[in-house]
Amino acid sequence: ETGVTQTPRHLVMGMTNKKSLKCEQHLGHNAMYWYKQSAKKPLELMFVYNFKEQTENNSVPSRFSPECPNSSHLFLHLHTLQPEDSALYLCASSPQTDNSPLHFGNGTRLTVT
Amino acid sequence: GQNIDQPTEMTATEGAIVQINCTYQTSGFNGLFWYQQHAGEAPTFLSYNVLDGLEEKGRFSSFLSRSKGYSYLLLKELQMKDSASYLCAVRPSGNTPLVFGKGTRLSVIA
Repeated sequence: ETGVTQTPRHLVMGMTNKKSLKCEQHLGHNAMYWYKQSAKKPLELMFVYNFKEQTENNSVPSRFSPECPNSSHLFLHLHTLQPEDSALYLCASSPQTDNSPLHFGNGTRLTVT
Repeated sequence: GQNIDQPTEMTATEGAIVQINCTYQTSGFNGLFWYQQHAGEAPTFLSYNVLDGLEEKGRFSSFLSRSKGYSYLLLKELQMKDSASYLCAVRPSGNTPLVFGKGTRLSVIA
């Protein structure tokens, strides 16, 4: 148990589908993050939320749409994805957006067919 | 640009010592992190260095030389459960996001 829970663990979707990834943290942290992890590539930061406000959008295509209704919950809404979007999507949280360590969830393994 | 280099794969023997190197070229430096990630699991925090020198935490130690843009993670008394990917990450400055390396996959063999 990492304190950061992601659902679903696995997701297969077609390019025309709409789906959402969910992340919940039980650590009382104020910052939440979405990362993309692809094989043989570094972890790529997608979005950062600090106190529910988006503070970073790392040039992510609009087919990925984040939502942060409160400091404990983070969603990633997906629509009209491409096969190259298949990857492990990791959610993380930290007390602040400073040098406190990130706490990661186990990720959602996404396959786009 | 920002660049973090670490070896792709390493193999070591149970009970031995292994050193995983990380070199970085970033626009600034405000701390270096090491994370461990077992296959199919979340990355977990191992260590943090912001000043030069060695930080020891049980069987794991991490070293930093800011002048050389270099760090290493030292794992002693290797166990089979240490087989995992080890991720090096640097924060270039202030509240800028972490920049991650591609990770080093360590295999511990009997």
